[in-house]
Amino acid sequence: DAGVIQSPRHEVTEMGQEVTLRCKPISGHDYLFWYRQTMMRGLELLIYFNNNVPIDDSGMPEDRFSAKMPNASFSTLKIQPSEPRDSAVYFCASSVGGWNTEAFFGQGTRLTVV
Amino acid sequence: AQKVTQAQTEISVVEKEDVTLDCVYETRDTTYYLFWYKQPPSGELVFLIRRNSFDEQNEISGRYSWNFQKSTSSFNFTITASQVVDSAVYFCALSEGPDSGNTPLVFGKGTRLSVIA
Repeated sequence: DAGVIQSPRHEVTEMGQEVTLRCKPISGHDYLFWYRQTMMRGLELLIYFNNNVPIDDSGMPEDRFSAKMPNASFSTLKIQPSEPRDSAVYFCASSVGGWNTEAFFGQGTRLTVV
Repeated sequence: AQKVTQAQTEISVVEKEDVTLDCVYETRDTTYYLFWYKQPPSGELVFLIRRNSFDEQNEISGRYSWNFQKSTSSFNFTITASQVVDSAVYFCALSEGPDSGNTPLVFGKGTRLSVIA
C-alpha cells in the first residue's frame, strides 16, 4: 500500500481564498483523522471520522473550517475564507480501530496564507 | 482531560552519547495507550511504539528502549549510542479507552533532538 496520501504537498494562497486539502487513507482503515501542526500549539486534532461518519469535530477552530468524507477512500478539509493564522502543516492520518492502534500519517500539506 | 507533557523542548548530544526523552502523562482512565512518534526533517510522522496501560514491561528495540512507569505516569524513551540519523522531533502521545469514549491520539509538544557528529 502507498500509505496515506495527501495533496497538495504545499499550498500558498491569498487571504480570503478558499483552500481544499485532500487525503486518501490506507485501504481498509476505518478511522481518519485531520491534525494541524503549528509551532505555537503543536499537533492538534481537528476532526476525525469512523466509517466515513464525523465523530468529533470539536477541534475545528472556526466555522471557516469544514471536513467531509464522502467515501472510504477520500476526505477533504476546506478552509473558507482562509486567513494568515491558518498557516500550518495539516496532516491526515488513518488507522484500524481508532484509539488503541497506531495511526499512519500522510506527509502533510504545508499551507501558507499570505 | 488528558494531557501529555514533554518538558524538554530541545536536546543536543554528541554522536554515540545516550539520550533520554521524557514523557509525563495525565489521565483518569484506567485503560489507555501510550505512543511515541518520530518526525524527521522530511516532515512525516513515523510510528515507533505503542504500549497499553496494563503492560509495564520495558521494551527494547535495537538502540531504542522505553521505560513505562505507572507510579510516576511516565513513558520515557532512551536512544543508546545516538547517531546523526536520530536527529528529529520526537512526540509522545496518549489515547484513552472506553471510560473516556475511546479518544484519539493527543500529542505532547515534542522534543527536538539534535545529534552532532
